Amino acid sequence: AQSVTQPDIHITVSEGASLELRCNYSYGATPYLFWYVQSPGQGLQLLLKYFSGDTLVQGIKGFEAEFKRSQSSFNLRKPSVHWSDAAEYFCAVSTGGGNKLTFGTGTQLKVEL
Amino acid sequence: NAGVTQTPKFRVLKTGQSMTLLCAQDMNHEYMYWYRQDPGMGLRLIHYSVGEGTTAKGEVPDGYNVSRLKKQNFLLGLESAAPSQTSVYFCASKLLLAQGNEQFFGPGTRLTVL
Repeated sequence: AQSVTQPDIHITVSEGASLELRCNYSYGATPYLFWYVQSPGQGLQLLLKYFSGDTLVQGIKGFEAEFKRSQSSFNLRKPSVHWSDAAEYFCAVSTGGGNKLTFGTGTQLKVEL
Repeated sequence: NAGVTQTPKFRVLKTGQSMTLLCAQDMNHEYMYWYRQDPGMGLRLIHYSVGEGTTAKGEVPDGYNVSRLKKQNFLLGLESAAPSQTSVYFCASKLLLAQGNEQFFGPGTRLTVL
């Protein structure tokens, strides 16, 4: 069965610093991969997705992610974090009949001013 | 275009009570999903539907029932609520042939079972 691991439960960075959130997946075939962001009390917003082609994908709000098949990873990056980026971030993989999403447990990002 | 909407936004139930959560989408999407979100566990799939009149079980279906009588609506029912069902519930929908399989999420329903 497919699974998604986000090894960092909490991450704190200073505003203006770079950010990398880790995501590893387990799936036999080529996966569809996603990063979602959730602000407190809000729903999920799609940041970016990978399904084929260029392994470096660009998303909204200045985020990017790189798909590395050899490492089964899809890490999210941002060169310079803004205070408004404080939120919870979820990595997900879409698989199987019905294209169901399997989510990681999330990484809570705190931004220090 | 309202996207995906959920009713109600908040609800408090007593153990044993029943209720129905409504999800509606106006994007003519074929696929619809119900997830629950619990601290430290991410989102887990409860039930999903690949079209009007069809439903299927997800990862955590016990204690829930669903119906998809109309393409635009997906109902989640709790027949006898338990404290373990205290959670935030999210509905999502997806176009059948969406490039990249993106799901669109509603704002969530926060349910507390006392």
